[in-house]
Amino acid sequence: SQQGEEDPQALSIQEGENATMNCSYKTSINNLQWYRQNSGRGLVHLILIRSNEREKHSGRLRVTLDTSKKSSSLLITASRAADTASYFCATETYSGAGSYQLTFGKGTKLSVIP
Amino acid sequence: DSGVTQTPKHLITATGQRVTLRCSPRSGDLSVYWYQQSLDQGLQFLIQYYNGEERAKGNILERFSAQQFPDLHSELNLSSLELGDSALYFCASSVGASGFPSTDTQYFGPGTRLTVL
Repeated sequence: SQQGEEDPQALSIQEGENATMNCSYKTSINNLQWYRQNSGRGLVHLILIRSNEREKHSGRLRVTLDTSKKSSSLLITASRAADTASYFCATETYSGAGSYQLTFGKGTKLSVIP
Repeated sequence: DSGVTQTPKHLITATGQRVTLRCSPRSGDLSVYWYQQSLDQGLQFLIQYYNGEERAKGNILERFSAQQFPDLHSELNLSSLELGDSALYFCASSVGASGFPSTDTQYFGPGTRLTVL
């Protein structure tokens, strides 16, 4: 079942603009992670934010987490054509026996037009 | 390059057949995860192994099975294949220490694209 739901499903912006993607989830989480996937390729881990954190930065990426609203956002500033990819949020929840499970949303497809 | 390798890159087979997908985790990683990515279902967690033992199960069909060997590489076996099994299959690995903290990053391989005709 889908835990995280990204919004929008697709986003098209001009190079240099900022891109904001949102993720909502349903149950309590240990952490929330954002991944990037270039077409047909493997996923690349971008950033992880713990459930007790509210904001995190990594280069041009800024992630926020609001556990009261069960939502997160990923902001990419000063976008580049090379940022064109699908972006997924993944929520980590405890699945028992010392194990944690990642549940992915369906992703936001970002197109950055040069 | 994540350090996770998967073979083969592409696999084309017929319905009813059986295939084996192979994954080698990053050096030092003890946990291996398998995911299926299809257009309609998105990225679905199938199963996790930690140091040779099954640790967690997701939406894995009974026709599918996996194992992790003493050298920590893993294989995903798909049998009685159906058209709907056509998808990208990803393997990921993580340090995955027992009782690990919730900052265990998963590193994904490039995937195996399975096409069932």
